[in-house]
Amino acid sequence: NAGVMQNPRHLVRRRGQEARLRCSPMKGHSHVYWYRQLPEEGLKFMVYLQKENIIDESGMPKERFSAEFPKEGPSILRIQQVVRGDSAAYFCASSPRTGPSRNWETQYFGPGTRLLVL
Amino acid sequence: GNSVTQMEGPVTLSEEAFLTINCTYTATGYPSLFWYVQYPGEGLQLLLKATKADDKGSNKGFEATYRKETTSFHLEKGSVQVSDSAVYFCALSAPISGGYNKLIFGAGTRLAVHP
Repeated sequence: NAGVMQNPRHLVRRRGQEARLRCSPMKGHSHVYWYRQLPEEGLKFMVYLQKENIIDESGMPKERFSAEFPKEGPSILRIQQVVRGDSAAYFCASSPRTGPSRNWETQYFGPGTRLLVL
Repeated sequence: GNSVTQMEGPVTLSEEAFLTINCTYTATGYPSLFWYVQYPGEGLQLLLKATKADDKGSNKGFEATYRKETTSFHLEKGSVQVSDSAVYFCALSAPISGGYNKLIFGAGTRLAVHP
């Protein structure tokens, strides 16, 4: 019973390159969230997606960042033209959408992708 | 708005000591509350949760009670072990578009337990 999968676990990019982070939710979960954790800080919400739909992206920077969750395949968080300030751990979480409504609020996290921008 | 405030760390304890990590929140309505734990180099694991006032969440010897009157959700454990050394995050569930929710996290509290 696989949990949330993320890859790569570590990613090194030079300034100006693109970073692509992948997330496969838990089996049976169709809702994906992306969070960013800066060093020594808590996680900050970025975006919430369902299959083929962005539901809320209020936490996403307006430029260079985008996310998708296609009908087939993993969710992708894409960062174009990375800068040093993008260095952080990026976590994906998933939740079910069946059962009692309060169960939907519990999110299950992947191991994260640690992005280092040189 | 919605926010979570945790006591600052690090918290350093000897094995078998009593643990309290304070967490208070500000929210509209009555959100669900969570404690997550993060071990070094890993993702967050759900430790426990409570969905309404006076609920007590518990797991692996950890407990937290949802206190509406004090807007608190303090984490406690009667006897900590070295293996409990980690960063602990308090979080609440806040509404976003379309009736869905996101988690709002506190800054985290690092716990170090020594033999």
